[in-house]
Amino acid sequence: QVQLVQSGAEVKKPGASVKVSCKASGYTFTSYYMHWVRQAPGQGLEWMGIINPSGGSTSYAQKFQGRVTMTRDTSTSTVYMELSSLRSEDTAVYYCARDLPVDAAAGSWFDPWGQGTLVTVSS
Amino acid sequence: DIQMTQSPSSLSASVGDRVTITCRASQSISSYLNWYQQKPGKAPKLLIYAASSLQSGVPSRFSGSGSGTDFTLTISSLQPEDFATYYCQQSYSTPCTFGQGTRLEIK
Repeated sequence: QVQLVQSGAEVKKPGASVKVSCKASGYTFTSYYMHWVRQAPGQGLEWMGIINPSGGSTSYAQKFQGRVTMTRDTSTSTVYMELSSLRSEDTAVYYCARDLPVDAAAGSWFDPWGQGTLVTVSS
Repeated sequence: DIQMTQSPSSLSASVGDRVTITCRASQSISSYLNWYQQKPGKAPKLLIYAASSLQSGVPSRFSGSGSGTDFTLTISSLQPEDFATYYCQQSYSTPCTFGQGTRLEIK
């Protein structure tokens, strides 16, 4: 079955960076776009960006431009999201979520999602 | 960015009730609208995609409708496991954006 398994919780100090991993299984890794979405405590869902695991191309939300980097390792079917210059407002659960195939004609929806990784930023 | 506004923000209902949640987009998004269910401490789960298509494995009591700017998610007969928070999402343009969520509670 299709599964996304994320790395464990992290505690970071302000100004530091965090790198979260998302390992995919049960499908052809390079055939589906992957997104990152975050959720601050008690808040809604916020899209961060997308990566094409085939060629590695990315697109980031304007809010995170310059602070976020999404990469992939095709040998391990893993995507990574690194967020730098962390501040307290970055405390959130970070999710990876699979989109449609890269050759889909139109549309976009996220299924499945990883289990989430809690990143806590605190001095 | 396209703004998505859900109503109500919270809702109390009883098992067996018919419930409707509304999502409005700040501009036309055709049928590029998805619905997710999220339970506490869990990742969101896709229920409806492209406004009205039921995701595989999702019970048929869930249905979606609408196009353009106005959309609805309907649960025909609430079950105990349906008490959760529901989010709409537009995928018409980048960045994709989510509604603020509708929390469905037991009356």
